[in-house]
Order: sequence, then structure tokens, then C-alpha cells
Amino acid sequence: ELKVEQNPLFLSMQEGKNYTIYCNYSTTSDRLYWYRQDPGKSLESLFVLLSNGAVKQEGRLMASLDTKARLSTLHITAAVHDLSATYFCAVGRQGGSEKLVFGKGTKLTVNP
Amino acid sequence: EPEVTQTPSHQVTQMGQEVILRCVPISNHLYFYWYRQILGQKVEFLVSFYNNEISEKSEIFDDQFSVERPDGSNFTLKIRSTKLEDSAMYFCASRGPGHQPQHFGDGTRLSIL
Repeated sequence: ELKVEQNPLFLSMQEGKNYTIYCNYSTTSDRLYWYRQDPGKSLESLFVLLSNGAVKQEGRLMASLDTKARLSTLHITAAVHDLSATYFCAVGRQGGSEKLVFGKGTKLTVNP
Repeated sequence: EPEVTQTPSHQVTQMGQEVILRCVPISNHLYFYWYRQILGQKVEFLVSFYNNEISEKSEIFDDQFSVERPDGSNFTLKIRSTKLEDSAMYFCASRGPGHQPQHFGDGTRLSIL
């Protein structure tokens, strides 16, 4: 059974600081996704990572994938208040239904 | 930008009643999903649907649940006899071919009394 572990689950940081969220998964997977969720809202797709060594960046967020270590990271650079949200990683497998298995999410609070 | 739409946004129902949650996926997408999120918890897969049939379902998706694509645009989730533990946010998602991510709707908050 595929398991996805995120840490930390809660993260409070100051504006301007850097931090990394980690996502470990238990079995071989083809695809790793990062989503953002604001309170009471839907899930917004941030990144799709498809291969070992993949790195993608959008603004202050950068995601990477190491398939050998079964690890993805979401790095936050010079955080701003607008980044406050819950971030989920999710793992899917090519072929079949490609259901997503989600981590528990990391609730990020960026304080002024 | 095309989006997945869900109705209603909030549904309050008595335990034992039937509910139908509705979704309109993005028009050229072929893969459809339902997930649920109990308050404060992670998102859980319920069922996937492709080519007019269920392609995979989770243990949560028991005989009380069913899905349908009645008219080529809508995608519905029916819960026949609701239980208190069915209270959750239900998200519909759709996906195009290839390496595209799943696009989620805004969800239906289901409250069972």
C-alpha cells in the first residue's frame, strides 16, 4: 500500500525566511504533485514532477524530486504572507486510474 | 481558464437520506474522480471513472456509493443512505490525457445531521 508522509505538518515562519517541506513516499511512483489549499477552498495544482532530478520553480516556490530516495521537497524562498496555506503532496502512478494518494498536508503560516 | 464546477456548495441532510452531489468536469477531460476530505484531515480517494465505467474504487466506496455520468457532461456521486461519518468535503476532479495534473472543483460540504 502506497503511503505518503509529509513533514512538518505545521510550519510557522517569519516573512523573508527560507524553509523546506518534505514529502516521502513508500513505493515506486511515476508522478509527484504539489497542491495548495486555502481555508475552505479547493486544491490548486502547483507542480507536476515526472522524473528523477526534476526541479520546477514558480515565484518563491521550488519543488524537486528524487525518485531513488522517494523524496520530494518544496522549498520556500523569502516567504511572504500570501504564501500562507496548506500544501499537499500527492503521488500517482502512470497507467490505470492514476488515483492520487495524498500526504496529510503542511499548514504554513507566514507571519509579518 | 476552464474549471471543474460542483453543486451544491453546501448540502445538509438527515441521516439515512439519499444525497446526490453533482460535478461538471472540464469539457475535454476523460478521467474523472471523487475524493473526500474530513475536516482537518487529508484528502482521500473514493473512485475514478473512465470510459463510462469505474476504473478503481477505494475501501470507503462501499455499496452505499455510486457514480454516474448521465448525459456526457455531468458526473454525479450518490450516497444512498447517509451516515454521520459521511460528513466531509467532497471534491470532484478531472484530468486530461498524458502528464496533466488533476483539476479539482471547489467542493461540496456535506453535513449529515
